Amino acid sequence: EAQVTQNPRYLITVTGKKLTVTCSQNMNHEYMSWYRQDPGLGLRQIYYSMNVEVTDKGDVPEGYKVSRKEKRNFPLILESPSPNQTSLYFCASSPILAGGWADTQYFGPGTRLTVL
Amino acid sequence: DAKTTQPNSMESNEEEPVHLPCNHSTISGTDYIHWYRQLPSQGPEYVIHGLTSNVNNRMASLAIAEDRKSSTLILHRATLRDAAVYYCILRITSGTYKYIFGTGTRLKVLA
Repeated sequence: EAQVTQNPRYLITVTGKKLTVTCSQNMNHEYMSWYRQDPGLGLRQIYYSMNVEVTDKGDVPEGYKVSRKEKRNFPLILESPSPNQTSLYFCASSPILAGGWADTQYFGPGTRLTVL
Repeated sequence: DAKTTQPNSMESNEEEPVHLPCNHSTISGTDYIHWYRQLPSQGPEYVIHGLTSNVNNRMASLAIAEDRKSSTLILHRATLRDAAVYYCILRITSGTYKYIFGTGTRLKVLA
């Protein structure tokens, strides 16, 4: 089954304790992206990647890191989490079309993170 | 900066058409307009997208204004399963590859 998986689905942590949220897709998609969703703000893009070793900032990258060492995986790293990073996080992937752009995004189920 | 503006909520009766508006007055010539919807406790799912011309697919239709500063997602016959938050999104294509989400319209469908 074609899918985007995220782990963990729920996480409660404390301020300053480094954590990684994993994202994996089995569709051989080039484009992958991370979003955070907060009440009243919709989804905001954190980072995206056009392919292996190619990453770039979205609209809210502060406090986050990403890496893309393999095509299928795109982990989100919070080196020193703070309470304002408490949010619902979504990973998404999409193919790059012949014209050079990403098509339909497929979203994972989300990771609910609470930072105390 | 590019952004989209949508009403917070709308209601529709079951089996009637629904028109969900979106303003994107800062759109650039190469930015695509996407619509996604999010059902409760799920990630967003793709609905439709377009650049300049109106678009139809099995889920919905997208009507894009001639000046591209607004668009309307049309659900031809709303069902209870269409109750969701609908997001109007700009896919930025000049110098970057970002998606800019609006804050979404919560659609309530009345039986």
